[in-house]
Amino acid sequence: EAQVTQNPRYLITVTGKKLTVTCSQNMNHEYMSWYRQDPGLGLRQIYYSMNVEVTDKGDVPEGYKVSRKEKRNFPLILESPSPNQTSLYFCASSLFRNQPQHFGDGTRLSIL
Amino acid sequence: AQTVTQSQPEMSVQEAETVTLSCTYDTSESDYYLFWYKQPPSRQMILVIRQEAYKQQNATENRFSVNFQKAAKSFSLKISDSQLGDAAMYFCANGQDKIIFGKGTRLHILP
Repeated sequence: EAQVTQNPRYLITVTGKKLTVTCSQNMNHEYMSWYRQDPGLGLRQIYYSMNVEVTDKGDVPEGYKVSRKEKRNFPLILESPSPNQTSLYFCASSLFRNQPQHFGDGTRLSIL
Repeated sequence: AQTVTQSQPEMSVQEAETVTLSCTYDTSESDYYLFWYKQPPSRQMILVIRQEAYKQQNATENRFSVNFQKAAKSFSLKISDSQLGDAAMYFCANGQDKIIFGKGTRLHILP
């Protein structure tokens, strides 16, 4: 089944404790992206990747890192999480940059 | 700067009626794409419809159609014969490399 898989689905952690949210797609897609969704703000793009080894900042990259060493994986790293990063996070992928995106099921992060 | 504006935070429509959700955008790119996504209470993000900016013909997908006015930078979504399953948050999005989403319109379907 074609899908984007994010893990974990839920995480409660504390300020400053490094965490990684994994994202994997099995559709051989070139384009991958991370978004955060906050009430009243819609989805905001954090980082995107056009292809392996090429990433670029979205609208809200501060406090986040990503890497794209393989086509299928695009992890989101929070080196020193803070409470303002509490949010619902989505990973998405598409065949190319201007194609409709397939979204993961979301990761609910709570930073205390 | 790239922007997407959805001016209706919430809307309601009677079942079987037609409703139009508005979206305006701004971009400096000459070649871009526009999307409508639906997010039901399950919080999954589902593509509703896509429009290439270079195409003058409005996209349609069954009961869903768009009114794309390039000069006015307007991209509204029309839902015909509304069904209870259409109740969701709807997001308009624009972009090529970087993707910008609007803040969303919550659509209620009244039985």
